[in-house]
Amino acid sequence: QSALTQPPSASGSPGQSVTISCTGTSSDVGGYNYVSWYQQHPGKAPKLMIYEVNKRPSGVPDRFSGSKSGNTASLTVSGLQADDEADYYCASFAGTTWVFGGGTKLTVL
Amino acid sequence: EVQLVESGGVLVQPGGSLRLSCAASGFTFSSYWMHWVRQAPGKGLVWVSRINGEGDTVAYADSVKGRFAISRDNARNTMHLQLSSLTVDDTAVYYCARGVLGAYGVGDYWGQGTLVTVSS
Repeated sequence: QSALTQPPSASGSPGQSVTISCTGTSSDVGGYNYVSWYQQHPGKAPKLMIYEVNKRPSGVPDRFSGSKSGNTASLTVSGLQADDEADYYCASFAGTTWVFGGGTKLTVL
Repeated sequence: EVQLVESGGVLVQPGGSLRLSCAASGFTFSSYWMHWVRQAPGKGLVWVSRINGEGDTVAYADSVKGRFAISRDNARNTMHLQLSSLTVDDTAVYYCARGVLGAYGVGDYWGQGTLVTVSS
């Protein structure tokens, strides 16, 4: 149950796009189409942004999109806005358990 | 409106025990898998445990297996996490989260968390 690997930080200017990667193994990310992404602002509970690799819950803007290739999943945030500045976590189903990534701090410059 | 409210977090000594609760409202509780996820101060999210809707299948992270026990009471729309043999590494905010219906996703709704501090 090793944590998924995410870059510790990412950044972009308002209006730009940024992509955050999430690398696992064939036992988690690569083995299932059950990758989720979460946004967490300081002091707040996480919020689901993407599930099943590329599905958006109701209310999540279509500026947020997900994809997967092999053992690596990605979250792309387009048209960056100030409020997108937050920590982002990926998670994957791993057979009977789940595993999260270490998190990426997204800074909007 | 879906609501999840955790309770039970306290300061406890190493080796101690406590029980966390998660009160759910605004949805058909028994239809959903439920999860516990924790976050140590300044650290990332870590999945802890999950229980299915009927309460008869459970799963745990290796780090808590044999020490934590998840359960639910569908009549009271409540989920519990019994923590025992606690160490300082268990210090964290513990969140309860609702599973995504029909998908293996953790947390389409989350509570605000309850803080467990393990210290002598």
